[in-house]
Parts: sequence; C-alpha cells; structure tokens
Amino acid sequence: QKEVEQDPGPLSVPEGAIVSLNCTYSNSAFQYFMWYRQYSRKGPELLMYTYSSGNKEDGRFTAQVDKSSKYISLFIRDSQPSDSATYLCAPYTGNQFYFGTGTSLTVIP
Amino acid sequence: NAGVTQTPKFRILKIGQSMTLQCTQDMNHNYMYWYRQDPGMGLKLIYYSVGAGITDKGEVPNGYNVSRSTTEDFPLRLELAAPSQTSVYFCASRPEVETQYFGPGTRLLVL
Repeated sequence: QKEVEQDPGPLSVPEGAIVSLNCTYSNSAFQYFMWYRQYSRKGPELLMYTYSSGNKEDGRFTAQVDKSSKYISLFIRDSQPSDSATYLCAPYTGNQFYFGTGTSLTVIP
Repeated sequence: NAGVTQTPKFRILKIGQSMTLQCTQDMNHNYMYWYRQDPGMGLKLIYYSVGAGITDKGEVPNGYNVSRSTTEDFPLRLELAAPSQTSVYFCASRPEVETQYFGPGTRLLVL
C-alpha cells in the first residue's frame, strides 16, 4: 500500500465551479498536511497546509484533514483559469514529505 | 535573494556516464532535499540533509550520492547513468516544516 494515494484525474471544470481534490494516507504519524500547486514545467509551490485535524481557509482555498479516516481535502471556490495546474498533497513526518501523484486540474473559461 | 538555484537546466547523458546536479540556496536553510519526478507522477525523495555534514537516504537513493559540506550547497551525483534515471530533478530547501522552496528543476535524459 502506498503511503499517500491521490486520484490523478485529469479533472476539467467550468470557470466558477467548486473543485474538490482529495488524498488518502496510511501513516498515522503524519502531523502536517501540505498542498502544493505545480504549473507545467515549473517547480511545486506551497499553496497551504494544516496541522493535525481540522480546517484552514485562505481566500478561495480551504484545506481539510480528517485524521480518523486518514483523508485530506482541498476545496477551491469560484475556480479561475489561472487555477489550472497539478495539485499535490504532501503529508509530513520525520523530516520527510510524502507526495501524492498529483491531480491535474483544468478550469475552462 | 535568488532562492534555490539548480544547474544545469537540461542535460543529455549517455548510459554509463556520470554527472553532478548542482543545487544552491542563499536563504541559510538547514534542511535541503533532492526529489525526482517522473511523467504523471508525484515527487519521490532521493536524499535529504538536515544540516551541513548530515545526509540521509529517502525513498529512491540507489544510483545517487550526495554531500553537504556547506549550508548553501547540496550537489547530487549520478554514477553510471541508466535510462531509468531519466527524470526531472528538483532540489528544495526549508527553514521549518511549514515552508519548502523548490528550485526550477533539472531535466535529465539518459540515452
């Protein structure tokens, strides 16, 4: 079983839609849960993170972690064409980040 | 600050050749990482370092070596290149858990 599972998509939505991106994980030791955004042919950039369980909101983005079900979510409200990218979840423990395979998102104007 | 810089941007190697991928950061970060990303895949950790003189293996260290003689530099050495090492290599550094800065990547093709 992989440490982190993420649906690779691709996901295609119309502009203004609400997008839900998800990961599951198996390691109970994960404490930090990061979301990275990666544009084509670029390095990943940190979008947001949560510590332990709960929600965190930053503008149009909301990150959720449910440690009881080992489920990580990222919601994007009012999606924009500029949100078109690959989104990678990356839980963290022991000095290491464990990346999902990424979900490719396209927002159609 | 230049952030995290990587050289070269692109390289073609022949099977059996060796090369060093350079990574430098000017933010005085203790933690540095090397990842590889294959097409349609997430990032896999090759090696990481928690400070000068300290390195440790990640998930896929075979075929690679690293050193960390200074805080700024974290070179990745490929010995005896193989087609399976064709990938995009990213270096990253961080001061604490909540932030990790990535370089622009090195695209490597082994033929």
